[in-house]
Amino acid sequence: GENVEQHPSTLSVQEGDSAVIKCTYSDSASNYFPWYKQELGKGPQLIIDIRSNVGEKKDQRIAVTLNKTAKHFSLHITETQPEDSAVYFCAAIRERLGNQFYFGTGTSLTVIP
Amino acid sequence: GAVVSQHPSWVICKSGTSVKIECRSLDFQATTMFWYRQFPKQSLMLMATSNEGSKATYEQGVEKDKFLINHASLTLSTLTVTSAHPEDSSFYICSGGGAIETQYFGPGTRLLVL
Repeated sequence: GENVEQHPSTLSVQEGDSAVIKCTYSDSASNYFPWYKQELGKGPQLIIDIRSNVGEKKDQRIAVTLNKTAKHFSLHITETQPEDSAVYFCAAIRERLGNQFYFGTGTSLTVIP
Repeated sequence: GAVVSQHPSWVICKSGTSVKIECRSLDFQATTMFWYRQFPKQSLMLMATSNEGSKATYEQGVEKDKFLINHASLTLSTLTVTSAHPEDSSFYICSGGGAIETQYFGPGTRLLVL
């Protein structure tokens, strides 16, 4: 099955700085890579995603990059704000296999005002 | 966007009792739903895939007789933790949707077994 690794496990940044979280995956057939934000006591919320036929995607302050050859993808958050503080999970999915999500281990991001 | 609800949001039960958790898709039909388990400060671990009208598919290491899943309609999947023990205490999350880009996660159910 798929194995997704995520780094770092914790990240603290000053408000206004950028944050980068990286994930690697093992299954070269995985073709969909979403990022989720989870606040305490709540379910994950999709914040951005990317498909394997795209190298980069941006949505305002959030961007995701994908390197298929190296099998890694990254989340970039610019101009961080205190409300960005949460746990972020990456996931890798191989379509046509039941759309099962394999999540990374999570990154706890703290934005210091 | 679409909404997935879970009930209850938290439950405390005695060891040996059974607990049922409901997962509902409020504004879409879900032929497939997924159940996850999350321990504190850890990732979501897929437990099983719930299929409407058929048996659930369990991940390796998940006891199907302990975690009973029923997906009787296109908007409701239930997870029953049978003969719960303290080690079953966890945060249980379901998800549902059509395409993978539209997988919506429920708010989770926190189970505490005393």
